[in-house]
Parts: sequence; structure tokens; C-alpha cells
Amino acid sequence: ETLMTQSPATLSVSPGEGATLSCRASQDIGNNLAWYRQKPGQAPRLLIYGISTRATGVPDRFRGSGSGTEFTLTISGLQSEDFGIYYCQQYNSWPPVTFGGGTKVDI
Amino acid sequence: QVQLVESGGGVVQPGRSLTLSCAASGFTFSNFAMHWVRQAPGKGLEWVAVIWFDGKKKYYADAVKGRFTISRDNSKKTLYLQMDSLRDEDTAVYFCAKVGETGDYYFEYWGQGTLLTVSS
Repeated sequence: ETLMTQSPATLSVSPGEGATLSCRASQDIGNNLAWYRQKPGQAPRLLIYGISTRATGVPDRFRGSGSGTEFTLTISGLQSEDFGIYYCQQYNSWPPVTFGGGTKVDI
Repeated sequence: QVQLVESGGGVVQPGRSLTLSCAASGFTFSNFAMHWVRQAPGKGLEWVAVIWFDGKKKYYADAVKGRFTISRDNSKKTLYLQMDSLRDEDTAVYFCAKVGETGDYYFEYWGQGTLLTVSS
């Protein structure tokens, strides 16, 4: 099983600032990495897949990068609607598909 | 537009059974693998099971293997999760999810979730 580790656990930022979220895989996952954001009481929303491809409707202030085992989600010019918990997910080696533990972004 | 609507959650006693459903619309259901993902209260996301587009292959998380059965009815555009021998630790919101257009196992669309509570 591929373990996914996210850091930091919590990130407090002010509107307009940038944020960098990290995700580490326990083994090489190629480009099979996705990012989601979840708000309280809602389902997760796909933001990024294939390390860096933005999903439909995702603004370009969200940028995914990385390779191998180290990945980053960079959010520039944070807006109030960007608060929530961000999860990374690997889909290279399954079953099981695995998620990171999440990074909570407080605005 | 794509819609996934789960139903069937509720409160059940340990050891009992329950079946969840997920009604799909807005895409060609029979072309895509479908997954169940769950989230225990206050916890992160946990993958549960996947079924191939034609129902011929199914895979499960170790935590549910032998107790849960994923199935689908492509004529009804509906995904199911039959859950037997339920345990307290199965308490969670259960989401159905559609894979991406590429067929890769990232989750492009999610349902709103249905809550299962296992409690005596």
C-alpha cells in the first residue's frame, strides 16, 4: 500500500497571501496524483489531477507540481472561498487508492 | 450535468446489514468504473471499493473485504454497496464517485454522501 503524508496539518493564511501544501508518497507514483478540497458538510471537489492538470472550472491560482514522491499544491492570492481541508490522493498503485491525511487551510 | 445521488444510509445495529445506492445521471454510466469512498466523523477520506464499467472486476479495501459487496446495474444507472456484518468502525459518510474521463482512478465527480451510523 502506498502511504500518502501531507504537511502541514494546519495552515493559517490571510486573504491575498499564498499557500504551499505538501504531499509525500511512500513510493514513486509517477504522475498519478490528484488534489481535492473539502468544505464542511460537503463532498470533496477535484482540483488537480495528473500532478498539474486543473479540473474543469478550477481557477489558475491553483498550481500543482512535483514528481516521483514529492508533490506540492500552491495557491496564490488566497480568497475566502479557498478555506477547507485539502487532500492529496495517489492512483498509481491500487488497490487500494490512498489519500493523505489532509491539510486544513484556515483563512 | 453529472449527478450522483446516494441513498440508503441510516442507523443500524452492529452485525446487521444495509445496502447503499447511488443513482447516476448526466453521463454514460456503463462506460466508467465507479467507486465508494467513506469518511468517518471528523476523519479523512478512505477508499472502500471499485467496480469496473462492466461489473466484471471488483476490488475492496482490506477493512471491508469479505463483508461488503459492490455491484452495479447499468440498465438502471445505479451503483450499490451491500454491507454485511456491520461494525462500529463502519460508521461514516459514504460517497460514490465517478472516475475521470481518462479512466484513471481520480474522482472527478462525487455524490453528496449518505450517513451510516452503526450503533447498538
